[in-house]
Amino acid sequence: SQQGEEDPQALSIQEGENATMNCSYKTSINNLQWYRQNSGRGLVHLILIRSNEREKHSGRLRVTLDTSKKSSSLLITASRAADTASYFCATDAWGDDKIIFGKGTRLHILP
Amino acid sequence: GAVVSQHPSWVICKSGTSVKIECRSLDFQATTMFWYRQFPKQSLMLMATSNEGSKATYEQGVEKDKFLINHASLTLSTLTVTSAHPEDSSFYICSAELTLDYGYTFGSGTRLTVV
Repeated sequence: SQQGEEDPQALSIQEGENATMNCSYKTSINNLQWYRQNSGRGLVHLILIRSNEREKHSGRLRVTLDTSKKSSSLLITASRAADTASYFCATDAWGDDKIIFGKGTRLHILP
Repeated sequence: GAVVSQHPSWVICKSGTSVKIECRSLDFQATTMFWYRQFPKQSLMLMATSNEGSKATYEQGVEKDKFLINHASLTLSTLTVTSAHPEDSSFYICSAELTLDYGYTFGSGTRLTVV
């Protein structure tokens, strides 16, 4: 069964605005990762945050993790047309080497 | 960077035939690889964990005899969809774990269409 649940399921914003996507999960995790998938393509790893971290940055990406609420957020600042894609969170539990994906958020950046 | 090469990128086959999908790790050894299935506009569903030199571990509800996984070397894992049916049409993606900080690397996926 899937671990993560993203919201919103779909998001459309104007280019230049910030996009925020959220992910909730059910069990204790070792780390949480965010991936991007362009339509019909493979996944690209964006960022990994460990369970003992609360915030992480990478370029225009900012990820937060709240283990008490079992939730994470991905913020993309100053969005660009090229950011149009589906974004998935993925978690792996302690002692488990497989990762389970959430349902994803389809982000559409409007010109 | 570490790359997983997946082939073919797309395949069309007739019902009842078998299709083999390959994933090769380039420039690194992948003791463990994962196979996912993705329906349109849906998320990735883990099908099985492929372990080099041993039997694959399948997720609940995935038919072992239908989705044959072979991981004969540290750089190659294959998924064979046997006796394919139209409902097997989907996007199949493999992945391998890199390091703790770099997550997993994914193949480019295979779009299977069974007619």
